[in-house]
Formats: sequence, structure tokens, C-alpha cells
Amino acid sequence: DAGVIQSPRHEVTEMGQEVTLRCKPISGHDYLFWYRQTMMRGLELLIYFNNNVPIDDSGMPEDRFSAKMPNASFSTLKIQPSEPRDSAVYFCASSFGTGAGYTFGSGTRLTVV
Amino acid sequence: GIQVEQSPPDLILQEGANSTLRCNFSDSVNNLQWFHQNPWGQLINLFYIPSGTKQNGRLSATTVATERYSLLYISSSQTTDSGVYFCAVATGGFKTIFGAGTRLFVKA
Repeated sequence: DAGVIQSPRHEVTEMGQEVTLRCKPISGHDYLFWYRQTMMRGLELLIYFNNNVPIDDSGMPEDRFSAKMPNASFSTLKIQPSEPRDSAVYFCASSFGTGAGYTFGSGTRLTVV
Repeated sequence: GIQVEQSPPDLILQEGANSTLRCNFSDSVNNLQWFHQNPWGQLINLFYIPSGTKQNGRLSATTVATERYSLLYISSSQTTDSGVYFCAVATGGFKTIFGAGTRLFVKA
């Protein structure tokens, strides 16, 4: 398996623009997580899905953030409109069941100018 | 919510030395993982260890759930062990919280 695949690796956008981050989990994994990493706040859980259904989105910072998982092999995290304080590395991770560790993607480094 | 404290925050080792990293947590957990973030930013899962002891090569981990702590042992450290080590826990479901990490630098 190719692991968890995220795209793009880097994204630079202007304030006010819409940003869409993409994630393909490992085939067969039934949990998918979106995390954000910043120097100030460390790694924060934004939202997670089980069998494509959002289970807990309490970490999503504002209504500007939304996440979807239309099928078992694809998820998106969208920010609209983007702001400079959204600049961070966004990670996607997946796992199988409730008794296994997470596999992380390589992350998307987002810079909003 | 649950609190996760990792110590030490920073550690410098000479290549070949051994070290112990600690993770304390404030509530019962059903999920505990250790991760290594390398200097390129990649997060690698080292152990899934809500209780007991596991070993993988030069690394081993022990979680004493009743006393709410976990230890990560690194033996015969190498320069490639440099990076940040994170402990991550969940008390129920999958809402996994990460500690602030231990930043390790191994000198050649």
C-alpha cells in the first residue's frame, strides 16, 4: 500500500481565497482524521470520520472550515475564506478499527498571505 | 479534558547513549500511541500501547495504565533518531490528544 496520500504538499494562497486539501486513506481503514500542526498549538485534532461519517468535529476552529468524506477512499478539508492565521501544516491520518495505531500522511503545508 | 505532559521537553544525546522519555496523563485512557516526527516533518507511528510493554529493535515502550504514565526507551541512539517524540492518548472514542513532545538531538 502507498500509505496515506495527501495533496498538495505545499499550498500558498492569498487571504480570502478558498483552499481545498485532499486525502486518500489506506485501503480498508475505517477511521480518518484531520489534524493541524502549528508551533503555538502543537497537533490539534480537527475532525474524524468512521466509515465515512463525521463523528466529532468539535476541533474545527470556525465555520470557515468544513470537511467531507464522500467515499471510503477520499476526504477533503476546505477553508473558505482563508486567513493568514490558518497557515499551518495539515495532516491526514487513517487507522483500522479501535485497537490500532494511526498512519499519517506527509502533510500539506499551507501558507496564507 | 485529559492533560498530557511529556518530559523532558528537550534532550541532547551523544550517539550510542540510551534515553528514557516519559508521558504522564491525567485520566484513564483506552488508546495510547508514540510517534516520531523526523526533521522533515513526517510523523511515524512507533507504538500502539494502551498497556503493557512492546519492543521494536532499539526502541521499547511500557505503559502502566493504573499509574497513568508511559515510557519510551531508546537504546544505542543514532543520529537518525533525532526529531520530536510525541505521546498521544484518547480517553474514549478516537478523540486523540497529543502531548507537546520531547525534542531529541543526537550528536555524532
